Amino acid sequence: KAGVTQTPRYLIKTRGQQVTLSCSPISGHRSVSWYQQTPGQGLQFLFEYFSETQRNKGNFPGRFSGRQFSNSRSEMNVSTLELGDSALYLCATSSGSGYEQYFGPGTRLTVT
Amino acid sequence: AQKITQTQPGMFVQEKEAVTLDCTYDTSDQSYGLFWYKQPSSGEMIFLIYQGSYDEQNATEGRYSLNFQKARKSANLVISASQLGDSAMYFCAMGLGTNAGKSTFGDGTTLTVKP
Repeated sequence: KAGVTQTPRYLIKTRGQQVTLSCSPISGHRSVSWYQQTPGQGLQFLFEYFSETQRNKGNFPGRFSGRQFSNSRSEMNVSTLELGDSALYLCATSSGSGYEQYFGPGTRLTVT
Repeated sequence: AQKITQTQPGMFVQEKEAVTLDCTYDTSDQSYGLFWYKQPSSGEMIFLIYQGSYDEQNATEGRYSLNFQKARKSANLVISASQLGDSAMYFCAMGLGTNAGKSTFGDGTTLTVKP
């Protein structure tokens, strides 16, 4: 079956702009989690959505938001971009009750 | 709060030999899961193995095994018969119960397999 897809794969934005990233889960997966990966901070949990509801949230400012649609696809939005938001953004999906989590290829965001 | 510590930034191993990647964790939760992921240079995270806090036997998946020592709060990954394709970054992570949806990750260990 098809894996987790993330679009776009690469993105370049300037400070102050906003950006929307998309994640399409594996068919049947209802949980979508988002992570930010940077060389300095490593992998940090942003939030998890399950059945269109935010189930868990990490310690990120309110500029980072997300949502999940009825088909389980998820988007995350970052408003008023800062240079420090440059990172690889990974989404991971799972059934919601199982332990196997499958990651997408990531979106590499560069903020200039 | 949960914390994962991986003390080996980089490791080298000869092809066909076994290697152990260290991971210690800290949590006050009784029910948790421990995960290992592999991240090649391409960037995609690949799930390798899972150990539940109530599992009495160590998890194994092919050439991967997880040496779980609950009292010492350690969950080391053992890779047997290393292959060149095993060269990658390896992350230890922890989730609540069996839900990997909110995972805390360690800083990772870069493994290089030498021919």
